[in-house]
Amino acid sequence: GAGVSQSPSNKVTEKGKDVELRCDPISGHTALYWYRQRLGQGLEFLIYFQGNSAPDKSGLPSDRFSAERTGESVSTLTIQRTQQEDSAVYLCASSLFREETQYFGPGTRLLVL
Amino acid sequence: DAKTTQPPSMDCAEGRAANLPCNHSTISGNEYVYWYRQIHSQGPQYIIHGLKNNETNEMASLIITEDRKSSTLILPHATLRDTAVYYCIVRAPQGNTGKLIFGQGTTLQVKP
Repeated sequence: GAGVSQSPSNKVTEKGKDVELRCDPISGHTALYWYRQRLGQGLEFLIYFQGNSAPDKSGLPSDRFSAERTGESVSTLTIQRTQQEDSAVYLCASSLFREETQYFGPGTRLLVL
Repeated sequence: DAKTTQPPSMDCAEGRAANLPCNHSTISGNEYVYWYRQIHSQGPQYIIHGLKNNETNEMASLIITEDRKSSTLILPHATLRDTAVYYCIVRAPQGNTGKLIFGQGTTLQVKP
């Protein structure tokens, strides 16, 4: 079946611009996660959505970062006024429920010039 | 979630078994051991997970010690495509929103 998809696969932007990253989870998966991976580093948790519950935003690094998810469908991660330090791969994962195995998308590679 | 300790790197000859160790001495009774791998420039790929018993699937086997303080991921016949960073993660199903906490992992280099 279809896996997690993310778009765009690559994004180059100028410092100060806003960017929007999209994640399409596996159909039927209620839980959705965003992670960030800087070059040569491990994954950092950013935000978690579970159904219609309030999201866990505890991993968002600053108020320039926000994310939305409508129901159990697509999620968008928005970074406002991008900085060079935001350059990273942004990974999305989904799972049937919170307790279940997470499956990752291919990521969006963001480069802020 | 409990911390894990993995060797930073390992080599394996193509066609041989790759045995990747992981220490998780502070694991709690309800925490699972998960293994993911990340091939260069791709998202992490789920491999296998277990609680107490050894597990096997089409990709790998997971051997968990009786005291659950360590485990070994076994790739029975490593190929060049298995070259990747392998992450061992312990995770409580009900805790921390289910987020995965990735360490530095083991870089496995499969050599011809």
